[in-house]
Formats: sequence, structure tokens, C-alpha cells
Amino acid sequence: EVQLVESGGGLVQPGGSLRFSCAASGFSISNFWMTWVRQAPGKGLEWVANINQDGSEKYYVDSVKGRFTISRDNAKSSVFLQMKSLRVEDTAIYYCARETYNWNSGYLDHWGQGVLVTVSS
Amino acid sequence: SSVLTQPPSVSVAPGKTARITCGGDNIGSKSVHWYQQKPGQAPVLVVHDDTDRPSGIPERFSGSNSGNTAALTISRVEAGDEGDYYCQVWRFGRDPHVFGTGTKVTVL
Repeated sequence: EVQLVESGGGLVQPGGSLRFSCAASGFSISNFWMTWVRQAPGKGLEWVANINQDGSEKYYVDSVKGRFTISRDNAKSSVFLQMKSLRVEDTAIYYCARETYNWNSGYLDHWGQGVLVTVSS
Repeated sequence: SSVLTQPPSVSVAPGKTARITCGGDNIGSKSVHWYQQKPGQAPVLVVHDDTDRPSGIPERFSGSNSGNTAALTISRVEAGDEGDYYCQVWRFGRDPHVFGTGTKVTVL
């Protein structure tokens, strides 16, 4: 069974940093792109960042470029999101998800339970 | 355009059919995927590539896509189908996963 389990969220002050992880099981993480999606309280889904199978390609939504860093450790079946210079508007539940691609499209076929990040003074 | 427009809410009686639309410029030329998110839970993929259902998703969930509108249809609606539903498309390059605005489905 495919499972994604996030950990490491919490409360942080504006300007602070936070790092959380996503532990994968039930599949070989090295075969998949992995992504982070967030959802602000009462709002919709927003793609944040993704990373290819060997970590050589990383992409970010404009609002987090230069502040967030996605990484992975295939040997530990884990994906990470390092966040710095956090803003109040970064408050959200952050979901780790597995990407699956076919010839012309990609979708997120498995999601973690999410981790809450609250940025507040 | 990167905007996928969904109706904010859809209400349906048990046993009836709910149709959730996702509008976008020439969306029929793209593959559309749908997610169900029940309160307090993570999203779950219910339809991918316009019409395909992942293993374990009931046949009551079906999708269509043509022109400027994609749709998710839920037949014989049950109370357990309540939640938020999001469409999503993928595009090459920046912001690869674009989500719709979301639709709250209420079972009367």
C-alpha cells in the first residue's frame, strides 16, 4: 500500500524557518516526481514545488521562489521542504503527493495526510 | 489562461445526479483530473485523464471533457459524497499543476 506521511509542521514567527519531511512507503520513490501542494485555511489547493526522480530538476511557484527549497533522499524514501523567510500568507496545510505522468499529462495519485504550518507572531 | 473556473457549490438530493463543471480556455485539448476532499482529510484522486477511475473509486464517478468545459458526474449520490471537489490540469513549464477553484458538494 502506498503511503505518504508528513512530519515537522508547527507554529513559527514571521521571518522564521521550518523544515518538514515526507516519508514514503509502498513504492520506490526513486521512480517518481514528487510534489508539495498547500491549502490555506478555508481556501483551495495551490501547487508549491516539485522535484524530479534524481533531484536534478526542481520547480517552484513564484511566491516561494528563493525562500523554499525542495529536496529528496531516495535512500531514505523521503522528500523535504525547507522554508525560510516565512510570511503570514504561507500559513496552510502542506501536502506531499506523488506525481504520475502519461504521454501528455500529470496528476497526483497519492497524497499524504498533510502538515499544518502556522506563521504568526 | 491558467484559470479553471468551478461553481462554488452544488446541492443534490440523495440518489440523484450531481454534475460539477470545470471551465477553461480550450480545456478539451488537455487531460483533466478530479480530486475529492472530505472535511478534515487530504484530497483523493477520483478521476484522471478525463474519464479514468483509479482502483477503488466507484463507477458512480465519471468524467467528460470537451470544448471549454470538463465535468465530473456523480450518479446515485450518497451522503458520503459530500465534500469539496477540484479539477486539475497539467501544463509543461511553470506552475505545472493548475487547480480549479473548487466546488462544495452538499447532499440535501
